[in-house]
Amino acid sequence: DAMVIQNPRYQVTQFGKPVTLSCSQTLNHNVMYWYQQKSSQAPKLLFHYYDKDFNNEADTPDNFQSRRPNTSFCFLDIRSPGLGDAAMYLCATSRESRNEQFFGPGTRLTVL
Amino acid sequence: KQEVTQIPAALSVPEGENLVLNCSFTDSAIYNLQWFRQDPGKGLTSLLLIQSSQREQTSGRLNASLDKSSGRSTLYIAASQPGDSATYLCAVRPNSGGYQKVTFGTGTKLQVIP
Repeated sequence: DAMVIQNPRYQVTQFGKPVTLSCSQTLNHNVMYWYQQKSSQAPKLLFHYYDKDFNNEADTPDNFQSRRPNTSFCFLDIRSPGLGDAAMYLCATSRESRNEQFFGPGTRLTVL
Repeated sequence: KQEVTQIPAALSVPEGENLVLNCSFTDSAIYNLQWFRQDPGKGLTSLLLIQSSQREQTSGRLNASLDKSSGRSTLYIAASQPGDSATYLCAVRPNSGGYQKVTFGTGTKLQVIP
């Protein structure tokens, strides 16, 4: 089945230790998104790619970076995680910018 | 700036009851609205997508309606089951100026009691 896959499902890191979260898709969609969701809050868009065109949200901290080496994969790098970065990180895709979004299962990040 | 509100934040109903979840948005210039389900600690599962030109969409026991002019959408769940227990979120996509900037509500947490 076509799907959005995120690895790992759970990630524990230490304060200040870089971490990379992975997302892959078999849907061959053009757009990939990264969202941050904290407990009982709405998902917050961090950035998105249309193909290789990267778009950063104005309020996304510089501590967060992203890479999309090919259509199928997208990575979220947190260079120096702080306690406030503990959250669920959600990857999503859509065929085009206006289309339905499909989400992966998420990665729960814990910062010690 | 688009604001999306979902009231109530939590809802508890007995099994078998029909129920309605509400989603309100402040800017009616939307392209589409999507309803999602989120189980605890999991990602979002797409339930229904309504285009701005549509009034409703149906899938099984779910029916979503859209009244763009009044800035409202409802998700109707018929004959609720314990397996419907989850948080339901609505998300609004703008009609212009950055279609990727979807705005989510904070969700309604539904508990269906056996």
